[in-house]
Amino acid sequence: DAGVIQSPRHEVTEMGQEVTLRCKPISGHDYLFWYRQTMMRGLELLIYFNNNVPIDDSGMPEDRFSAKMPNASFSTLKIQPSEPRDSAVYFCASSSHQPASSYEQYFGPGTRLTVT
Amino acid sequence: TQLLEQSPQFLSIQEGENLTVYCNSSSVFSSLQWYRQEPGEGPVLLVTVVTGGEVKKLKRLTFQFGDARKDSSLHITAAQPGDTGLYLCAGAGNNDMRFGAGTRLTVKP
Repeated sequence: DAGVIQSPRHEVTEMGQEVTLRCKPISGHDYLFWYRQTMMRGLELLIYFNNNVPIDDSGMPEDRFSAKMPNASFSTLKIQPSEPRDSAVYFCASSSHQPASSYEQYFGPGTRLTVT
Repeated sequence: TQLLEQSPQFLSIQEGENLTVYCNSSSVFSSLQWYRQEPGEGPVLLVTVVTGGEVKKLKRLTFQFGDARKDSSLHITAAQPGDTGLYLCAGAGNNDMRFGAGTRLTVKP
């Protein structure tokens, strides 16, 4: 399997612009997670989906952030408008809860976002 | 929210030394994972522990899950420069998973 695929790997944009991050989970995985990682705050869970349905979005910072999963093989995280404080590495991860107790997650390589 | 505390936050040792890092919580977890993250990459799963008191070994790495399933430790024997990285623990329970802040390990040759 190719693993979790994220694009782009790097994104540099100006404040106020819309940013869209993309993720393709591992085939057969029914959970998808979006994380943000910074030196100050570590790895933060933003939102996760089960079978394409958002389950918990309590980690989404504010209304400028939105995430969608139109099908089992694709998800997007959008920031509109972007701000310098959004600069971070954004990770997508997927997992299959079979066996149900595992919760093992497989991470993509991340997208390094810089907002100037 | 199940808070996971990892210690130490930073650790710098010489090649060949042994070390232990800890992951503690006041909450009970159904399972706990350890991940290692290298610069510029995503975290990579090392191990999952499920049963209280469970011990798993992965070459020079030994993982232990506390009897009460609230804490875990990772022991590395004869550390090598290739062990350098950020070690993260993650606890799962109640359809929720949270990561600790990590221990940043540097092994000097």
